[in-house]
Amino acid sequence: QQQVKQSPQSLIVQKGGISIINCAYENTAFDYFPWYQQFPGKGPALLIAIRPDVSEKKEGRFTISFNKSAKQFSLHIMDSQPGDSATYFCAAWGGATNKLIFGTGTLLAVQP
Amino acid sequence: ETGVTQSPTHLIKTRGQQVTLRCSSQSGHNTVSWYQQALGQGPQFIFQYYREEENGRGNFPPRFSGLQFPNYSSELNVNALELDDSALYLCASSLETGTQETQYFGPGTRLLVL
Repeated sequence: QQQVKQSPQSLIVQKGGISIINCAYENTAFDYFPWYQQFPGKGPALLIAIRPDVSEKKEGRFTISFNKSAKQFSLHIMDSQPGDSATYFCAAWGGATNKLIFGTGTLLAVQP
Repeated sequence: ETGVTQSPTHLIKTRGQQVTLRCSSQSGHNTVSWYQQALGQGPQFIFQYYREEENGRGNFPPRFSGLQFPNYSSELNVNALELDDSALYLCASSLETGTQETQYFGPGTRLLVL
């Protein structure tokens, strides 16, 4: 019930393409879903986050789509750039805990 | 930059030893959480401290312990190190606890246990 499943494990996208990363969760008490971006040698940095009362949130080239009934959410990176090459983690928070539950990560490589 | 710093950046220890990792949170942030990130995995929650008291713990044994100080610094202590403790240890600070506050991560300390 505490797991967040993330796919794919790795992703290669051409410059200018769309990168899509998917996550699924089981615990319906989760009520905050952030995405983190991590570059090698750095800690994770918050990219964008969503609450389950909205189905989509967009910030610049980054969009979260949220499907509450399916208990799934995804990150879309439009016009992907080589500088977007990093590891992306979805996470979930809530359920009477004070902790973020992270997915296993997606290594994104954007080819020039 | 997040304003969260960690020291040391890298550390090598041998099995059975003890280690102390340090974190300096953003000024004014009353909450610090510690995570263990094994290679190729997502961060795993170890515990959280709020106003110098432990405020939630993940599935880690008691040999993982922590302290939080009034000056927004904190420590993670690990006793009787095991090979599987080799990982990146991250601290994250946030303003309060029990809310959907953004957690700001430090760069981590990479621990290698031989």
